[in-house]
Amino acid sequence: QVTLKESGPVLVKPTETLTLTCTVSGFSLSNARMGVSWIRQPPGKALEWLAHIFSNDEKSYSTSLKSRLTISKDTSKSQVVLTMTNMDPVDTATYYCARIEYSSSLKVDYWGQGTLVTVSS
Amino acid sequence: EIVMTQSPATLSVSPGERATLSCRASQSVSSNLAWYQQKPGQAPRLLIYGASTRATGIPARFSGSGSGTEFTLTISSLQSEDFAVYYCQQYNNWLRGFTFGPGTKVDIK
Repeated sequence: QVTLKESGPVLVKPTETLTLTCTVSGFSLSNARMGVSWIRQPPGKALEWLAHIFSNDEKSYSTSLKSRLTISKDTSKSQVVLTMTNMDPVDTATYYCARIEYSSSLKVDYWGQGTLVTVSS
Repeated sequence: EIVMTQSPATLSVSPGERATLSCRASQSVSSNLAWYQQKPGQAPRLLIYGASTRATGIPARFSGSGSGTEFTLTISSLQSEDFAVYYCQQYNNWLRGFTFGPGTKVDIK
């Protein structure tokens, strides 16, 4: 059974750095043709892709947020970590991690439950 | 960057009726398009990928069509559990990331 679970702070202050961890089970981060994405959703708004990392350690970032984001993985711990620097109230959102499977096509097929992060002083 | 638009923003439908949702890409994404359903307080659920392939466990009343820049999600006979927000997502150059549409809310007429 594939599961993903996000963890991290519920509240961060403006200018602080946010660190979120996605712990996966039911698949390995070293599996070929697998990756993990981070996606966020401000309250009442649409989904926004942030970053992803693949089994070969290839990474990609949202163009608009690239300077603030770092994604990494620890295969032995089955974890993917996202850091976002210089947090602002507009970054208040539910942050999701999701599995990517790519073969003949690509699927973002399993999502975590999400974690709500509020940015406020 | 490829921009996704969806129409209508809100669709009011009676149970048992057919719902047709549209998604448009600012440039061709071939068939690299997915649809998701999201209910309040829940994570999105993958419905369709590759523009027309149903994900595992998705009922046959959901179907996707289109290629290039114009796509459609059809729900043939709306059930009570189908009232939700639906997002399209392109992944044409997936190594460089994804973009989502703004969503269509399907509510009860």
